[in-house]
Amino acid sequence: DVKVTQSSRYLVKRTGEKVFLECVQDMDHENMFWYRQDPGLGLRLIYFSYDVKMKEKGDIPEGYSVSREKKERFSLILESASTNQTSMYLCASHRDSHSPLHFGNGTRLTVT
Amino acid sequence: ELKVEQNPLFLSMQEGKNYTIYCNYSTTSDRLYWYRQDPGKSLESLFVLLSNGAVKQEGRLMASLDTKARLSTLHITAAVHDLSATYFCAVDSRGSGYALNFGKGTSLLVTP
Repeated sequence: DVKVTQSSRYLVKRTGEKVFLECVQDMDHENMFWYRQDPGLGLRLIYFSYDVKMKEKGDIPEGYSVSREKKERFSLILESASTNQTSMYLCASHRDSHSPLHFGNGTRLTVT
Repeated sequence: ELKVEQNPLFLSMQEGKNYTIYCNYSTTSDRLYWYRQDPGKSLESLFVLLSNGAVKQEGRLMASLDTKARLSTLHITAAVHDLSATYFCAVDSRGSGYALNFGKGTSLLVTP
């Protein structure tokens, strides 16, 4: 079974802090994704990566950056956290476009 | 911009009844995905529909795709309490298979 592991289940950070959310997958998947999930808005794509060191902006990349130095790891970075980035963050991966996404358990981030 | 609309957004139904959830999307795509999310949990893949006319069934759930109408349906047959969850459809927004746009989800409650 594919396992997508997010390093933290809950995080509380202060406004202005730099925040790192880590995600690791164990199935050698090429493609990795970061989504945020907010009530009433569904899931929105922040960034994705289809190869090591490659990244593409999703629909809401502002205020975020990503890093993919190794195939199995995809990090989401909040350069200067703001209260409107309080959300559930979901990491996902898949092998190819014919395969479903496999999601991690999510990180609930609160920015105060 | 791709719009993915689900309806209804909330659905309360009695055990044993049948119902259909609809997913409309605004641009051409021949790939559509259905996911389930239980409260406090992450998303789990239900179906991957990869062509016009595709139909998949698993237990009491059946999904279909009409790419010409830009419509997918998720049909529930003889609902049971265990099906209570939020159901999301997602569409490949860039034709690349790399990124999915999600609907806002349909929150289903099955009552005795």
